[in-house]
Amino acid sequence: AQSVTQLGSHVSVSEGALVLLRCNYSSSVPPYLFWYVQYPNQGLQLLLKYTSAATLVKGINGFEAEFKKSETSFHLTKPSAHMSDAAEYFCAVGLFGNEKLTFGTGTRLTIIP
Amino acid sequence: DADVTQTPRNRITKTGKRIMLECSQTKGHDRMYWYRQDPGLGLRLIYYSFDVKDINKGEISDGYSVSRQAQAKFSLSLESAIPNQTALYFCATSDPQGTEQYFGPGTRLTVT
Repeated sequence: AQSVTQLGSHVSVSEGALVLLRCNYSSSVPPYLFWYVQYPNQGLQLLLKYTSAATLVKGINGFEAEFKKSETSFHLTKPSAHMSDAAEYFCAVGLFGNEKLTFGTGTRLTIIP
Repeated sequence: DADVTQTPRNRITKTGKRIMLECSQTKGHDRMYWYRQDPGLGLRLIYYSFDVKDINKGEISDGYSVSRQAQAKFSLSLESAIPNQTALYFCATSDPQGTEQYFGPGTRLTVT
């Protein structure tokens, strides 16, 4: 079985500051890892994914995440926050085939002008 | 046009009523999913289907049923709605390689 823990249900950063959203996973086999973003009143959109290739994964809108097996982490970062980044972010873990994703509880990101 | 559509987008219903949420996709994928989202709980899987003849329960299937009418259509039913089924419901589809799930816009359901 796999699980995901997102530390911090709410994160606030100033515009232009570093964004760091934390995700730790548990999986008995090598996982696939995903970050999704949900803007208000919308569905989830894939930001980036790790599927056992490069450990540093670059996604859309300037986001990236690094898979660290030793730390069982897949933290999401962006060097400079923009007002448009305000949204809820979900980390998810799956196995080969992605038949069942397990989602974290989400982190709501607020950008302070 | 959206790849995954859900109807209705919003619904208010009363306790005990039967309600159906519908999902259609134009991506040609075999795999489809239903999730519910509750504040602070993230998304939880209700049912998933790998093709029209393969339907599986997720982690929270009690009180729900599904129907896979065609490759493109996957409906979720609440036979007798109760207030704790008030939530945001999402349909999703994924490719055979499982490298991404594509989500619909969601249905906000309120049971009074």
